[in-house]
Amino acid sequence: RKEVEQDPGPFNVPEGATVAFNCTYSNSASQSFFWYRQDCRKEPKLLMSVYSSGNEDGRFTAQLNRASQYISLLIRDSKLSDSATYLCVVNAPYNTDKLIFGTGTRLQVFP
Amino acid sequence: GAGVSQSPSNKVTEKGKDVELRCDPISGHTALYWYRQSLGQGLEFLIYFQGNSAPDKSGLPSDRFSAERTGGSVSTLTIQRTQQEDSAVYLCASSLTGLNPGYTFGSGTRLTVV
Repeated sequence: RKEVEQDPGPFNVPEGATVAFNCTYSNSASQSFFWYRQDCRKEPKLLMSVYSSGNEDGRFTAQLNRASQYISLLIRDSKLSDSATYLCVVNAPYNTDKLIFGTGTRLQVFP
Repeated sequence: GAGVSQSPSNKVTEKGKDVELRCDPISGHTALYWYRQSLGQGLEFLIYFQGNSAPDKSGLPSDRFSAERTGGSVSTLTIQRTQQEDSAVYLCASSLTGLNPGYTFGSGTRLTVV
């Protein structure tokens, strides 16, 4: 089983749509969770951290379910500029500094 | 500096040659990481430096790969006797530690072995 699993997509949605991505992780000892965004042929950039209570940043909402080892990202009112690959990231067991990256979910927003 | 700087941005080399890739992390970041990303693939962890501790080399794919970090700052990733399967984008990242800040990545070195 992969340490971090994501649906690769692509998710093709119209502008204004709400879209949700899910991710599962294998090790219950992971304590830090993130979503990164990667544009085509660019480096990954931190989108947001994910906290146990859930957190929101504008149109983006992240949720964590520790019992199910499941992380989600919800994007509301999708923009063309949201088109990218979204990487689910967790820390390695017992090492808060070393991160394990999922292979990403590709989102394409069309007019 | 303001961001993580990597050089060269692109490198084409012949099979069997050695290459050196350089990473200059954000000033004050104690942790430095090397990942690689093959076309259409996810990020593969290679090596991680944390302060003065021994590096975590668990991701290096073979003994042809090595890395060092001098003075707790600049890092060099060396690939000896390059093979075509080494072709990938090599990404360096740095971070503070213990504060859950996430990584800042450099723009990568695109290595092509011909």
